[in-house]
Amino acid sequence: GQQVMQIPQYQHVQEGEDFTTYCNSSTTLSNIQWYKQRPGGHPVFLIQLVKSGEVKKQKRLTFQFGEAKKNSSLHITATQTTDVGTYFCADDNQAGTALIFGKGTTLSVSS
Amino acid sequence: DADVTQTPRNRITKTGKRIMLECSQTKGHDRMYWYRQDPGLGLRLIYYSFDVKDINKGEISDGYSVSRQAQAKFSLSLESAIPNQTALYFCATSDTGRGYEQYFGPGTRLTVT
Repeated sequence: GQQVMQIPQYQHVQEGEDFTTYCNSSTTLSNIQWYKQRPGGHPVFLIQLVKSGEVKKQKRLTFQFGEAKKNSSLHITATQTTDVGTYFCADDNQAGTALIFGKGTTLSVSS
Repeated sequence: DADVTQTPRNRITKTGKRIMLECSQTKGHDRMYWYRQDPGLGLRLIYYSFDVKDINKGEISDGYSVSRQAQAKFSLSLESAIPNQTALYFCATSDTGRGYEQYFGPGTRLTVT
């Protein structure tokens, strides 16, 4: 079935270092959404990418959608302790009726 | 007030008991979803509903049932709870159509002993 794979599962960085999480699929992705879940919290929508090659920025966060629409990435520049949490990517299922979530990348940041 | 609320927030129950988790929303969305989250497994869809008369199974519906009592209310039931249903459960809502973001409730942490 349709699957969205995320790597790495965990990442620890020193504050100020960069961080990247990748979302990959063997099939063409439809609309990639990215969510952030803080420890003890619930997932919160960050952004959606729709077009091939699309790049969007939110302050220190850069989101990319691959040219072939089979991968996406979230890059954080100069991480801060407020960036800790789990980042999920999600894609529409084929019918467009639900989201398929990746397993997430959990980021920890030490100061 | 929060747009999506879940009750209870925490629940401990025993094997074999019936339990209901409730979700209410004030966003006016037609679509509602129930997910479970387990460490390392991400968010897995249990059931989803597009309106009061439209209920659909998700990836892991076995052992669960749902009821959409109104546009704003969507309940998840475990008819006979078992320990491997111990998890964090989230309700979410979204607008109708492709590509709409989902709004999640605060979650219910369920422990089945």
